[in-house]
Amino acid sequence: AQSVTQPDIHITVSEGASLELRCNYSYGATPYLFWYVQSPGQGLQLLLKYFSGDTLVQGIKGFEAEFKRSQSSFNLRKPSVHWSDAAEYFCAVGAGMYSGGGADGLTFGKGTHLIIQP
Amino acid sequence: EAQVTQNPRYLITVTGKKLTVTCSQNMNHEYMSWYRQDPGLGLRQIYYSMNVEVTDKGDVPEGYKVSRKEKRNFPLILESPSPNQTSLYFCASRGTSGGLNLETQYFGPGTRLLVL
Repeated sequence: AQSVTQPDIHITVSEGASLELRCNYSYGATPYLFWYVQSPGQGLQLLLKYFSGDTLVQGIKGFEAEFKRSQSSFNLRKPSVHWSDAAEYFCAVGAGMYSGGGADGLTFGKGTHLIIQP
Repeated sequence: EAQVTQNPRYLITVTGKKLTVTCSQNMNHEYMSWYRQDPGLGLRQIYYSMNVEVTDKGDVPEGYKVSRKEKRNFPLILESPSPNQTSLYFCASRGTSGGLNLETQYFGPGTRLLVL
């Protein structure tokens, strides 16, 4: 069964500093990987996704993520955070279009809560 | 504007009183899904639907029902709500044909449910 681990429940970063949020996945085949952001009281917004090709993926709001197959990781990075980046971040892994019986194959990590210090 | 809408956004109810949370998408997506989000547990899938009249259980289906009579709508039904169903619920949809957006799920704004 596929799984996603986000080792950091909370991360505090100073405004203007760089950010890296960790994500490790377990999946038997080539994974489809996603990062979503959830601002307080809001739904989930897709930041970026990886299906294939270049392992460094650019997303919205200045975020990027790098797929490292050897480490089963898909860490999210931003060179300089803004106060508006404070939110909950979710990494997710998915199968192909149809994964068969059971859940659809999109499994979420438990999230990392990002706090921005002035 | 492409969107997934849910209603109501907030709901307080009592144990045993049937309720329905509606979900609608305007993107002509075949696939729709319901998740619940609980602190420390992330998002867990309740039910999903591959297309009209095709639904299946996700990871945590107990106590929930769904129906898919129209492509755009995917209501979540709690026949007899209990306090352990107090949660934040998200509806999502995605396309299933062609293009790199194949696996991108679009989420609704969420419905916060409190069962007393």
